[in-house]
Amino acid sequence: GAVVSQHPSRVICKSGTSVKIECRSLDFQATTMFWYRQFPKQSLMLMATSNEGSKATYEQGVEKDKFLINHASLTLSTLTVTSAHPEDSSFYICSARGPGTGMSYEQYFGPGTRLTVT
Amino acid sequence: KNEVEQSPQNLTAQEGEFITINCSYSVGISALHWLQQHPGGGIVSLFMLSSGKKKHGRLIATINIQEKHSSLHITASHPRDSAVYICAVGWWSRLTFGEGTQLTVNP
Repeated sequence: GAVVSQHPSRVICKSGTSVKIECRSLDFQATTMFWYRQFPKQSLMLMATSNEGSKATYEQGVEKDKFLINHASLTLSTLTVTSAHPEDSSFYICSARGPGTGMSYEQYFGPGTRLTVT
Repeated sequence: KNEVEQSPQNLTAQEGEFITINCSYSVGISALHWLQQHPGGGIVSLFMLSSGKKKHGRLIATINIQEKHSSLHITASHPRDSAVYICAVGWWSRLTFGEGTQLTVNP
């Protein structure tokens, strides 16, 4: 099946610094990628939808200036957490929409990145 | 009331048992996903359904669109099946996730 990778798998950074997380579709072209956040013991929450070559669409309550998303190619999307604070510590997961057709489509999930801000 | 509800929240089984996890949803969907999340956090997509039934190895997923209900079955459960199983429903690109079912299979 299709493979989505994320890098790094875990990162620890100091408060006030910025962190970039990469999401790559390894064996297919992903026109759409999604970024999710998961706090402990909670469900995944969609942060933003990223379409290649256009600006990301952010969900209500997600600060677009804090969570910068770039989808510059059909295989790579990046999420940059700017001026990170301890409350940004979370598990960040990306997914990529595969080459489905019609009303049904597949989303392939990356393994996630655990961010800890100290 | 959540748009996606799973039951049970926690499930403990003995190796070899047949397991069923249920998912009910209240919104219109184009597809339903079953996902598996291991303790390290990584997520694996098990099934995507828009109708009927799918089988992969020991896993079976069914969906009843009229009743807005899906089930995930695991036959001959094994300790390595221990994980959180998440139901997610989607309309086009947006997925709404259930809170997950923590499954523990004891040897």
